Amino acid sequence: DQQVKQNSPSLSVQEGRISILNCDYTNSMFDYFLWYKKYPAEGPTFLISISSIKDKNEDGRFTVFLNKSAKHLSLHIVPSQPGDSAVYFCAALQGGSEKLVFGKGTKLTVNP
Amino acid sequence: KAGVTQTPRYLIKTRGQQVTLSCSPISGHRSVSWYQQTPGQGLQFLFEYFSETQRNKGNFPGRFSGRQFSNSRSEMNVSTLELGDSALYLCASSLGILNEQFFGPGTRLTVL
Repeated sequence: DQQVKQNSPSLSVQEGRISILNCDYTNSMFDYFLWYKKYPAEGPTFLISISSIKDKNEDGRFTVFLNKSAKHLSLHIVPSQPGDSAVYFCAALQGGSEKLVFGKGTKLTVNP
Repeated sequence: KAGVTQTPRYLIKTRGQQVTLSCSPISGHRSVSWYQQTPGQGLQFLFEYFSETQRNKGNFPGRFSGRQFSNSRSEMNVSTLELGDSALYLCASSLGILNEQFFGPGTRLTVL
């Protein structure tokens, strides 16, 4: 039973345009959400997070939106750059636990 | 500050053998988590240690075990290796209270 789902295995975007990566979750007990970026042969790198008490968090070119009623979050990258090409994982935490539950990832390709 | 380090980076074993993987967290981090990444299942949580105690455990058989030392370094052991244990094993460290987890580069285990 997959509690965190990233339904798009891949996404291709032109440089300078917006990249929108989506994530859905089923467990209403999740209260903290994170996005990680992963390059081949490296461990995931933390990008941005959001607490369930917020609906938006912004850090430079990266913005995460959380819609609790829809159990949906999205990561916006504006403007997209070729160096953003990587696999992006959505992850969730349940209060009091350090057990990250990951989606299966979306491979983003930003074309020059 | 040095990042999370994992040794060895690559390992080849045969079925039935056992293996021990090592992880050194970021200095000051007391929580160490282990994850298994496979193409089919994605990133899956194995277990988490905090101050030498296992705090959380994922849904893996008892062949997978771990421990944490007083200096927060952690080891993961897999006994009676199976072909399906071939995966990238990732270690992550954090301060331990709903903080971002920082990942190491992983150990690529191949079971023949």
